[in-house]
Amino acid sequence: NAGVTQTPKFQVLKTGQSMTLQCAQDMNHEYMSWYRQDPGMGLRLIHYSVGAGITDQGEVPNGYNVSRSTTEDFPLRLLSAAPSQTSVYFCASSYSGQGPTEAFFGQGTRLTVV
Amino acid sequence: GQQLNQSPQSMFIQEGEDVSMNCTSSSIFNTWLWYKQEPGEGPVLLIALYKAGELTSNGRLTAQFGITRKDSFLNISASIPSDVGIYFCAGFTYFGNEKLTFGTGTRLTIIP
Repeated sequence: NAGVTQTPKFQVLKTGQSMTLQCAQDMNHEYMSWYRQDPGMGLRLIHYSVGAGITDQGEVPNGYNVSRSTTEDFPLRLLSAAPSQTSVYFCASSYSGQGPTEAFFGQGTRLTVV
Repeated sequence: GQQLNQSPQSMFIQEGEDVSMNCTSSSIFNTWLWYKQEPGEGPVLLIALYKAGELTSNGRLTAQFGITRKDSFLNISASIPSDVGIYFCAGFTYFGNEKLTFGTGTRLTIIP
């Protein structure tokens, strides 16, 4: 019963490097999303997807790319890492139909950009 | 965009005390959710509310969907040490963008 799995759990990047944060869910959820969590700011939506082949921008999309080739996977790409992208990143999934209600979250990826 | 104001930002209480926190919005939501996050973990859904005025319980937790659809509160009765964590409210509107809007969280600490 894996739920939402994120890898890696921790990552340190140098400014300008690129990387992909992986997210996979085994619940056949159509809706998936990426959030970043910064101290005192709650969770802010980066990108989301309502199904395979469909993605859209959230509140803070700049510097990030996503794609959704399968129902199970929703990777988040950092194109050129910047210190401002130091954060904890959470992937979430939920049943579609009524949007992202009752989202299930992964354990997070703690990213530090130096 | 929509904003959720969550209060208080932090609470320090003694074991056994009741806890109350709330969330207010500048606009209407169709769904209110309450999540709890423990250190090093992702948020976990506690309660979901779908109708204005709805009052829902989950063990010692009780949450209500405000009648104006712009607010919600969460109560925890007889707090225990495992209640420690950050509690987030989140709102969703069916006919807006398909996004959950999160509050900034209430950090609950239990004093021994």
